[in-house]
Order: sequence, then C-alpha cells, then structure tokens
Amino acid sequence: TQLLEQSPQFLSIQEGENLTVYCNSSSVFSSLQWYRQEPGEGPVLLVTVVTGGEVKKLKRLTFQFGDARKDSSLHITAAQPGDTGLYLCAGPAGGTSYGKLTFGQGTILTVHP
Amino acid sequence: GAVVSQHPSRVICKSGTSVKIECRSLDFQATTMFWYRQFPKKSLMLMATSNEGSKATYEQGVEKDKFLINHASLTLSTLTVTSAHPEDSSFYICSANAGTGLYTEAFFGQGTRLTVV
Repeated sequence: TQLLEQSPQFLSIQEGENLTVYCNSSSVFSSLQWYRQEPGEGPVLLVTVVTGGEVKKLKRLTFQFGDARKDSSLHITAAQPGDTGLYLCAGPAGGTSYGKLTFGQGTILTVHP
Repeated sequence: GAVVSQHPSRVICKSGTSVKIECRSLDFQATTMFWYRQFPKKSLMLMATSNEGSKATYEQGVEKDKFLINHASLTLSTLTVTSAHPEDSSFYICSANAGTGLYTEAFFGQGTRLTVV
C-alpha cells in the first residue's frame, strides 16, 4: 500500500492569514485528490490533480501536484472561518481493487474570526 | 458530481443488538463501494471493500463476522454491525467511486454516527 504523509496535523490561525498543507509520499501517484470534511458529514471532493507540476485554483484555494507526482500541496489565501474543517489528501492505493484510495492522516484547520 | 446517500445519519442502539447502515449510489452504478470508520479528529480508516455480487474484502484486523457487508445490487451496499458493543460506537462512512480509467474520484455518503449504549 502506498502511504501518504500529511502535515501539519493541526493548524489554528486567525482570519485573513495564509496557510499551506502538505501531502508527501515516497511513491509515485497517478493522481491525487483533496477532500474537505466538516464535523458530522462525509468528505467532499475539492479537486483532483493528475499531471506532474499541475496547478489548480478554486477561489482562494490553490492546489499543486509535484513534478514527480509524489507530493501535493494545498494553499489557502486569506483564510476565513468557513474554511474550518478536516482536509484530506488521497490517492489510488494500488493493488487489484479498482478505486481503492489511501488517505493522508488529515489536517484539522481552525480559522478564528 | 455523483451522489451517494447514506442512511441513517444517526442511530442509537442497545448493547447486543444489530444495526444496519445503507449506502446508495443515486445517479450512477457502483460495482464497488467502500466502508470506512472514523474516530474523532482522525482520518478515515478503510474497513472493507464491498463488491457487487460477491464477498466483501476486509482489511486486516477487521472482523468480518462483526461487520457484515452485503452488496446485492449495483446501487446499494449495506453494513450490519452485529452484536454491537460500546466500543463499536463511531462514525461510519461509505463511498463509491466514479471516473474514467485515468483516475477515480470518491464520493462519500453523509456518514452514520453510531452510539451503542
């Protein structure tokens, strides 16, 4: 199973600050996804990156896939309290089960007003 | 995006009873669904892969007799927690994947908060 190391695990910041979450692996991934989960809800897909070096933007969120497709980052500009949640990166787990994903440990982001 | 519906969202049951959780793909067919367990402030822990028309594949350490999975149709998978005990209390989430052969994306149900008293 390919592993994803996500950091930091906890992030507590003030509204308006910028932040970056990292997702690293020693393995090459064909794609990586980022999800956001609010308490008591299932994770919601934010983005999928598939090309090495790819950058995708979703309003104040910028996602990057490393050139070697072993790492990814999520950058949030001018964070708002509504960004609070658990952020998860995920990628194909390999093996024979189609669609099986491996997840990073998650980053709990708290944005204080 | 694809929609996955999970029911119930919350359930409280007495110790020793069984609880069934349903996971439905509403607008697509899913030959494979996944069941996760999540502890507070932690990431998702894969329990098993649910395969339509065949036996589920369980991850190491997950008791298959405790967590019964049935995937009788292309749109429905069920997880039954048998003889539930307080330590089974947790947040259970299902997912189904959709996508092309290039990559898959997971679409999650809303989750089920199980409390065993």
